[in-house]
Amino acid sequence: SQTIHQWPATLVQPVGSPLSLECTVEGTSNPNLYWYRQAAGRGLQLLFYSVGIGQISSEVPQNLSASRPQDRQFILSSKKLLLSDSGFYLCAWRGHYEQYFGPGTRLTVT
Amino acid sequence: DQQVKQNSPSLSVQEGRISILNCDYTNSMFDYFLWYKKYPAEGPTFLISISSIKDKNEDGRFTVFLNKSAKHLSLHIVPSQPGDSAVYFCAASGNSGGSNYKLTFGKGTLLTVNP
Repeated sequence: SQTIHQWPATLVQPVGSPLSLECTVEGTSNPNLYWYRQAAGRGLQLLFYSVGIGQISSEVPQNLSASRPQDRQFILSSKKLLLSDSGFYLCAWRGHYEQYFGPGTRLTVT
Repeated sequence: DQQVKQNSPSLSVQEGRISILNCDYTNSMFDYFLWYKKYPAEGPTFLISISSIKDKNEDGRFTVFLNKSAKHLSLHIVPSQPGDSAVYFCAASGNSGGSNYKLTFGKGTLLTVNP
């Protein structure tokens, strides 16, 4: 069966510091992968998606970036965090028509 | 421009009664609709979905209804249980058969089922 992992689970970072969040999927090959953010009191905002290694589509212009160095690995990064980057970050992979989400990373920028 | 709208931020229901969560959409190109359930500090869990070629899909206590002419869908939970208390997200896709498949989510409705 398929499993999706995210780490770290929680992170507190100062403004201006870099960020790296990792997502890995097990039990499937060449999945579509997605990064979402849920800000406080908001819905799920799609940030990036990838249909394969090295292929990244950005949905929202911002100071975040994504990379897919391996088939089942998806990384979310930032060179300098802003206060507005705080939120709950979720990675997901595509099944048939559904998407399945990881446990999420709670990021607090102070 | 919010293409998927959940106009009720919260809903409170008694245990054993029916919970009805509503969702409206504006994009007529959406052809697949999904409901997710989310507990605090966890990732959303897929619940049930419906294709635009259908008007109803049922899975146990959960039923989703789609009214394409009104661009409206609803999730019915019968009977409601305290463990159903969570945030429910409605989502839609307009490219269900394509490689660049993505979902557009509503802002969610917090359901509280009281014992």
